[in-house]
Amino acid sequence: SQQGEEDPQALSIQEGENATMNCSYKTSINNLQWYRQNSGRGLVHLILIRSNEREKHSGRLRVTLDTSKKSSSLLITASRAADTASYFCAPLRTGANSKLTFGKGITLSVRP
Amino acid sequence: DAGVTQSPTHLIKTRGQQVTLRCSPKSGHDTVSWYQQALGQGPQFIFQYYEEEERQRGNFPDRFSGHQFPNYSSELNVNALLLGDSALYLCASSLSKTGGETQYFGPGTRLLVL
Repeated sequence: SQQGEEDPQALSIQEGENATMNCSYKTSINNLQWYRQNSGRGLVHLILIRSNEREKHSGRLRVTLDTSKKSSSLLITASRAADTASYFCAPLRTGANSKLTFGKGITLSVRP
Repeated sequence: DAGVTQSPTHLIKTRGQQVTLRCSPKSGHDTVSWYQQALGQGPQFIFQYYEEEERQRGNFPDRFSGHQFPNYSSELNVNALLLGDSALYLCASSLSKTGGETQYFGPGTRLLVL
């Protein structure tokens, strides 16, 4: 299964702090994506990191990928209350039958 | 550039009824995937449509069926509704020639089965 498993299940931090979220998976992949979901709404694509990349940045987001350990981390720096959401990782093997497989996600609460 | 749209936003049905949910993909996208998300869970893949054909399917019973139209829009049909079908149904679109890497999600349809 390509499903990622996110850790921790829940994270509560103070505004301004950094939030680190982890993802592990079991199969070989071509890329790994992180998505955010605000309460009860659709998922928003945050960032994609390819299997030949080790680190990628996008604004306040930093993603790392360690294919030898089959793990990824998402770091949100200088968190804001608006970052409060659920975060999902989706490891992906691309191809004709590619599909995203999600775990239960991480619930991030940023206290103002 | 319109993103992915879904209709209706909310729906209430009773057990045994049938429901049809609709999705319009992001402009230029040709692949539509459907997901079911129960409360507190991650989205679960139902099926994916490309070129008006079901390309792959997740672990869902035949009560769940779909259709893709020539304009790439899609419908999800659920027959003989069960209480357990209550969930947020998400549609996502992607572009096949890019390997379907990044999927763009709609806001979802929240279905409540009583």
